[in-house]
Amino acid sequence: DIVMTQSPDSLAVSLGERATINCKSSQSVLYSSNNKNYLAWYQQKPGQPPKLLIYWASTRESGVPDRFSGSGSGTDFTLTISSLQAEDVAVYYCQQYYSTPPETYTFGQGTKLEIK
Amino acid sequence: EVQLVQSGAEVKKPGESLKISCKGSGYSFTSYWIGWVRQMPGKGLEWMGIIYPGDSDTRYSPSFQGQVTISADKSISTAYLQWSSLKASDTAMYYCARPPVGSPGYFQHWGQGTLVTVSS
Repeated sequence: DIVMTQSPDSLAVSLGERATINCKSSQSVLYSSNNKNYLAWYQQKPGQPPKLLIYWASTRESGVPDRFSGSGSGTDFTLTISSLQAEDVAVYYCQQYYSTPPETYTFGQGTKLEIK
Repeated sequence: EVQLVQSGAEVKKPGESLKISCKGSGYSFTSYWIGWVRQMPGKGLEWMGIIYPGDSDTRYSPSFQGQVTISADKSISTAYLQWSSLKASDTAMYYCARPPVGSPGYFQHWGQGTLVTVSS
């Protein structure tokens, strides 16, 4: 299985400041034939299902504010919130969807983002 | 509008069987994969498996293979997750979720979740 490791486990950032969450995969999730990174980011607020933010490592889902951005390639990825808003308090997960059979599209353990 | 509506919360005893459901609407049910994700209390997300209702192609995470069964009834646009003998450790929130067309990859749409509690 591809193991996804996020850092830090929790993060406190002041309103208006930048928040950065890292995700590292145990093997590359870059598919050379199409040069795409099979990596997504989700946001989960308390009592709600996860919400897709980013796919293909850097493509923002429709309706997601542009303060959210994804970057990275291969095994190292970053989710950045450029200017933290109160409504961004949540747990954030990365997920790889690269694995060939048996498919195990593993998630990272999650990063809890709070307001400082 | 794409919607995934899951069945309600369940309280079961160890050893009992259970089948929870996820009804898709607002899209062609047979043209998209639909998957299941477990979230144990206070924990993270775990990818369980996925089914393509068009031909019932089903894939499981090795962690869940043999522990659950994923199925779908395309006549009523509904996917299922079932257990034959529940354990206390199956207590969790279970989400169904749908990727975009043509891929079993990332999940673009999510159900509201079904809370399963297994306790004697």
